[in-house]
Amino acid sequence: ETGVTQTPRHLVMGMTNKKSLKCEQHLGHNAMYWYKQSAKKPLELMFVYSLEERVENNSVPSRFSPECPNSSHLFLHLHTLQPEDSALYLCASSLQDSPLHFGNGTRLTVT
Amino acid sequence: GNSVTQMEGPVTLSEEAFLTINCTYTATGYPSLFWYVQYPGEGLQLLLKATKADDKGSNKGFEATYRKETTSFHLEKGSVQVSDSAVYFCALSDAGGTSYGKLTFGQGTILTVHP
Repeated sequence: ETGVTQTPRHLVMGMTNKKSLKCEQHLGHNAMYWYKQSAKKPLELMFVYSLEERVENNSVPSRFSPECPNSSHLFLHLHTLQPEDSALYLCASSLQDSPLHFGNGTRLTVT
Repeated sequence: GNSVTQMEGPVTLSEEAFLTINCTYTATGYPSLFWYVQYPGEGLQLLLKATKADDKGSNKGFEATYRKETTSFHLEKGSVQVSDSAVYFCALSDAGGTSYGKLTFGQGTILTVHP
């Protein structure tokens, strides 16, 4: 148990589908993050939320839409994805100036 | 911009062998440095960290020393176990950044330890 829970663990979706990834933390952290992990590439930071406000968006395509309704929950809404979006999507949380705690990720396959 | 370069894997060792995974970085200022480990089917876990030059991070028998003169943070372990088989990521955070979350990662090194 990492303290950061991601659901679902696996997701297969077609290019025309709409789905959402969910992340939940009960560590009392005030910052949450989405990272993308693709094969043979470094982890890519997608979004950062601090105190529920988005503070970073690393040029992520608009087909990925994050939502942070409160400091414990983070969503990644997906629509009209491409096969190259298939990857492991990792959620993480932290307190300011403290290391990240990662969830176990959602393995996404776009068909 | 910041960058992290790790030795390419995969690395395959026998149990009780000595491990070194090289990591060098490029950054402005004085970044903090980290090693994260990812076991199969799991997310990343912080293994160790160092926040200033000459600091040594250590955990579970692993060590890494922050070498500013060589811009390196090599990971070492004197005697690996089968349970150490995982992917290891070197990372840095922006100097003076307000959050460690803005990490720049290396590409990861796969370690396999055989009995």
